[in-house]
Amino acid sequence: DVVMTQSPLSLPVTLGQPASISCRSSQSLVYSDGNTHLTWFHQRPGQSPRRLIYKVSNRDSGVPDRFSGSGSGTDFTLKISRVEAEDVGVYYCMQGTHWPRTFGQGTKLEIK
Amino acid sequence: EVQLVQSGGGLVRPGGSLRLSCAASGFTFTSYWMSWVRQAPGKGLEWVANIKQDGSEEHYVDSVKGRFTISRDNAKNSLSLQMNSLRAEDTAMYYCARGGAAPTDWGQGTLVTVSS
Repeated sequence: DVVMTQSPLSLPVTLGQPASISCRSSQSLVYSDGNTHLTWFHQRPGQSPRRLIYKVSNRDSGVPDRFSGSGSGTDFTLKISRVEAEDVGVYYCMQGTHWPRTFGQGTKLEIK
Repeated sequence: EVQLVQSGGGLVRPGGSLRLSCAASGFTFTSYWMSWVRQAPGKGLEWVANIKQDGSEEHYVDSVKGRFTISRDNAKNSLSLQMNSLRAEDTAMYYCARGGAAPTDWGQGTLVTVSS
């Protein structure tokens, strides 16, 4: 199985400051069609996950442009340019290239 | 508006069975892979199963193979997860989601508790 490793697991951030989460996969996530199925989700306490970014860097509709995704192959990053209060919660990366699909352990973002 | 409305969770004894359902609306159901993802209490997300648009292909995480069956009824725009031989470690919130490789919309979740 492809292991997805996120860091850090805990991320205290001051409001208005940037934040960055790393996600590394144990195998390349480039699919045979050339797409890289690396997705980022955000989950607030008591809520269902919400997709933020798909195929590494494509922001979903309604996702603020302070969120950006980057990376390639096995190394990916989610960046928040200026953290706002509503950004608290847990962020997960997920690979959709290989079976079984696998998630990272999650990164808990909190406000300092 | 995309809606995924789940039902069917509850308390079941070890070794028992449960069937989860997910009613889909607001999109063309037959155009999408569908997924089940679970989350044990206080833990992270775990992918459980996927099913192709026409039901011709299914995939499962190893821990549920042979015990869980994903299915869909395209005439009724519904997704199901039949769970047999349930174990304590299957206790989790179960989510249905639209899409396979990168699930977009998620249901509200339904809690499955396996306990004697």
